[in-house]
Amino acid sequence: DAGVTQSPTHLIKTRGQQVTLRCSPKSGHDTVSWYQQALGQGPQFIFQYYEEEERQRGNFPDRFSGHQFPNYSSELNVNALLLGDSALYLCASSLVGSQPYEQYFGPGTRLTVT
Amino acid sequence: GNSVTQMEGPVTLSEEAFLTINCTYTATGYPSLFWYVQYPGEGLQLLLKATKADDKGSNKGFEATYRKETTSFHLEKGSVQVSDSAVYFCALVSGGSYIPTFGRGTSLIVHP
Repeated sequence: DAGVTQSPTHLIKTRGQQVTLRCSPKSGHDTVSWYQQALGQGPQFIFQYYEEEERQRGNFPDRFSGHQFPNYSSELNVNALLLGDSALYLCASSLVGSQPYEQYFGPGTRLTVT
Repeated sequence: GNSVTQMEGPVTLSEEAFLTINCTYTATGYPSLFWYVQYPGEGLQLLLKATKADDKGSNKGFEATYRKETTSFHLEKGSVQVSDSAVYFCALVSGGSYIPTFGRGTSLIVHP
C-alpha cells in the first residue's frame, strides 16, 4: 500500500517565478493538507482540501493556492516566489472526520528560491 | 493562541543513554498532545499521543506524560539507540481545530 507521495523531491526556482508541487494521498484517503517547514522550524499549516474545495486556511498570503482533483490528488501553487519561500513543503493525507493524529505525511518537496 | 516550545538541539547522546526532550505548551481549552518523529528524508510519523491530563503516551520505548499543572509533555526514553537519531516534534491540537500546532523540532544524534 503506497503511502503519501510527493513530487518533485527537490526544486530550484528563481525569485519571481511560479512553482507547482504535487501530492498523491495514501490509498483510501480523501483529504489533503499542505504544510511549510522552514529550516529549523516546525511545519506551518497552509491549507486543507476536501471534495475539491479549500476547507481551512492558515496564515499564508494569496500567492499560495491549491487544487484537489477528483482522484483526491492535490497541487500546491506558489506565485511570485520570494527568497523566504525556500522550505520543505509537506503534504499530509487523511480520511474526512478522522482524528488529527490520523494524518499521514509525505517525505516533502524541498524548494530552494535563489 | 496556541504555541509549543521545545528545547533547542541538537541533543547528542551515546547509545544506551537516557533521553529527555522538554516540551511545554500554551493552548486554549484542553488540548491533545503529540510527539512526531522525522527520520532523514522521510515525512513526519506520529510517535505517541495523549488526549487528556495525566495520560501517558508510549511507543517504541518512548514515553510522555500529559502534565496539565506544568503545561508540559516531555519525551523520555530509557536507553536510546543509533536508529533513534532523528528530529522530534512536539505538537498540539486544541480549540476545535483539527490542525496541529508544531514546535520547532529537536534534533537527536545518537553515537555508537
